[in-house]
Amino acid sequence: EIVLTQSPATLSLSPGERATLSCRASQSVSSYLAWYQQKPGQAPRLLIYDASNRATGIPARFSGSGSGTDFTLTISSLEPEDFAVYYCQQRSDWYTFGQGTKLEI
Amino acid sequence: QLQLQESGPGLVKPSETLSLTCTVSGGSISRSGYYWGWIRQPPRRGLEWIGSIHYSGSTSFNPSLKSRVTISVDTSKNQFSLNLSSVIAADTAVYYCARHENLRYFDPWGQGTLVTVSS
Repeated sequence: EIVLTQSPATLSLSPGERATLSCRASQSVSSYLAWYQQKPGQAPRLLIYDASNRATGIPARFSGSGSGTDFTLTISSLEPEDFAVYYCQQRSDWYTFGQGTKLEI
Repeated sequence: QLQLQESGPGLVKPSETLSLTCTVSGGSISRSGYYWGWIRQPPRRGLEWIGSIHYSGSTSFNPSLKSRVTISVDTSKNQFSLNLSSVIAADTAVYYCARHENLRYFDPWGQGTLVTVSS
């Protein structure tokens, strides 16, 4: 099973700042990685797929990069509604998720 | 706009079978290339994929759960269902259904339903 390790576990920032979230895979997943956003009491929402492609309707301030084992989700300028938990997910070998990064104010 | 909605009992006794249904609206479950998946999230923990099904009946399961999982589809009702047998307390979770397009990523998701395993 491919294990995804996200860091940091919690990231404390302010609106307007830049957020950088990391996801590391235990073995190469090529570019087969997605990012999801989950707000309290809500289902996850797909943000980025295949490492760097924004899903439909996702603002341009969200961007993804990386390949192989190291991936990054960047939020260029945080809006109040961006504070949530973010998960990465790989589809290279079955489907597994990271443990999440909580982005808090 | 495609929407998914989970339904089923919120409480299941240990050793019994957990049964949930996902109703798809705003689109056909029978569209080629679309699989339909189940994912769960135990309290205060991360996400775990359970399995996925195509409208043709083709399935794919998480190897760690495969022996206890059945997923079926009813195209006439635009629904698919999950059965998880021999449940234990560790199966307590919010269960989500989602579209699993071409067995890649999950989008969109249902709102989720909490299932508690307890006597």
